[in-house]
Amino acid sequence: DAGVIQSPRHEVTEMGQEVTLRCKPISGHNSLFWYRQTMMRGLELLIYFNNNVPIDDSGMPEDRFSAKMPNASFSTLKIQPSEPRDSAVYFCASSLAGGPNQPQHFGDGTRLSIL
Amino acid sequence: AQSVTQLDSQVPVFEEAPVELRCNYSSSVSVYLFWYVQYPNQGLQLLLKYLSGSTLVKGINGFEAEFNKSQTSFHLRKPSVHISDTAEYFCAVSGRSGNTPLVFGKGTRLSVIA
Repeated sequence: DAGVIQSPRHEVTEMGQEVTLRCKPISGHNSLFWYRQTMMRGLELLIYFNNNVPIDDSGMPEDRFSAKMPNASFSTLKIQPSEPRDSAVYFCASSLAGGPNQPQHFGDGTRLSIL
Repeated sequence: AQSVTQLDSQVPVFEEAPVELRCNYSSSVSVYLFWYVQYPNQGLQLLLKYLSGSTLVKGINGFEAEFNKSQTSFHLRKPSVHISDTAEYFCAVSGRSGNTPLVFGKGTRLSVIA
């Protein structure tokens, strides 16, 4: 079975540029999560969706960040404009909705470097 | 709201020695507890989870964890580690009701030394 697929795996861009990270969840999963991982702050939940609807975006750092889930098989996380402090590894995870006991399956992440 | 404290940021251990990675949580409601492992340049993988029942939970790769409600702990153990166990380990907690997402600890880096 294909796992959670994220693209790109690596992104290097200059500050001020728009960055779009993509995620394809596991087929049949209806919860999707975006995380950011840094050395200083660890793993932070940015936003999560149930059945394509954003449930909690309180972790989104500021208005420069936005996330969409236009259908059950695709989600994007966009940063515009990007800043050096956005450099991190961004993970997408998916799970079956049905409660917090459902394990989350993680993608391999996108390593983002903003110069 | 829930929170997780992983007491050790790094744990070096010799190969074939036992290891314990400590995790304490805080919550005003009943919780589910999880351990995830992250190998270099990869996402997190579920090691084991405690939902209910027996407080001793066995997971993959020979790991186990024990839920201790009175001490609000969920320590991860392995009796004999291998070089391949070198990774970052994350403890996580979630409330049992509604759509509460996982709250992760900051991780413990386990380094197994030959």
